[in-house]
Amino acid sequence: NAGVTQTPKFQVLKTGQSMTLQCAQDMNHNSMYWYRQDPGMGLRLIYYSASEGTTDKGEVPNGYNVSRLNKREFSLRLESAAPSQTSVYFCASSLQGARDEQYFGPGTRLTVT
Amino acid sequence: AQSVTQLDSQVPVFEEAPVELRCNYSSSVSVYLFWYVQYPNQGLQLLLKYLSGSTLVESINGFEAEFNKSQTSFHLRKPSVHISDTAEYFCAVSPLSAGNNRKLIWGLGTSLAVNP
Repeated sequence: NAGVTQTPKFQVLKTGQSMTLQCAQDMNHNSMYWYRQDPGMGLRLIYYSASEGTTDKGEVPNGYNVSRLNKREFSLRLESAAPSQTSVYFCASSLQGARDEQYFGPGTRLTVT
Repeated sequence: AQSVTQLDSQVPVFEEAPVELRCNYSSSVSVYLFWYVQYPNQGLQLLLKYLSGSTLVESINGFEAEFNKSQTSFHLRKPSVHISDTAEYFCAVSPLSAGNNRKLIWGLGTSLAVNP
């Protein structure tokens, strides 16, 4: 069991470039999440998918789009990167309900210059 | 609206000393409560959780947390810390409401630094 995997681990972009962060889980979880983590600001939810075929905005969705490709995969796209999007991005998944723990990937460290 | 407050952003402590990381929450509905730990350069992992039953919950590595409903708190404690406990600790709540849709409400984290 790989758990939650994320690619790439590191990325440097120039302002205006686009990229897609990939996330996959092999635990047959229904719910998946994208967070960003910035110093002093904790974890902030960007988008989430409660089940296959659905996606919803979190706290900070501006500048991002997501795709729940299938039950396993949930990608995050930056269409036109900005320096404010420099952050560490975490993907997570959970089985289904409010009582279920979230399992996190190792993170992607993104720098936008 | 729900919120989580971790009262200390940084906690320095010497090895083998006791530690308490404080977490208070605000919610108009019942909640499930979680503590997650993030070791340097890693993702978060669950440390312990309270769903129901005994208000004292324990982790496998010696941490415990007590749910206090009247004070809306879920403080994390360990009687004797090790260097390896150095990490960021996050408190989170999951509201039991129809509109929750399985989202967690997160605190900002407490950085625990264990010094020799």
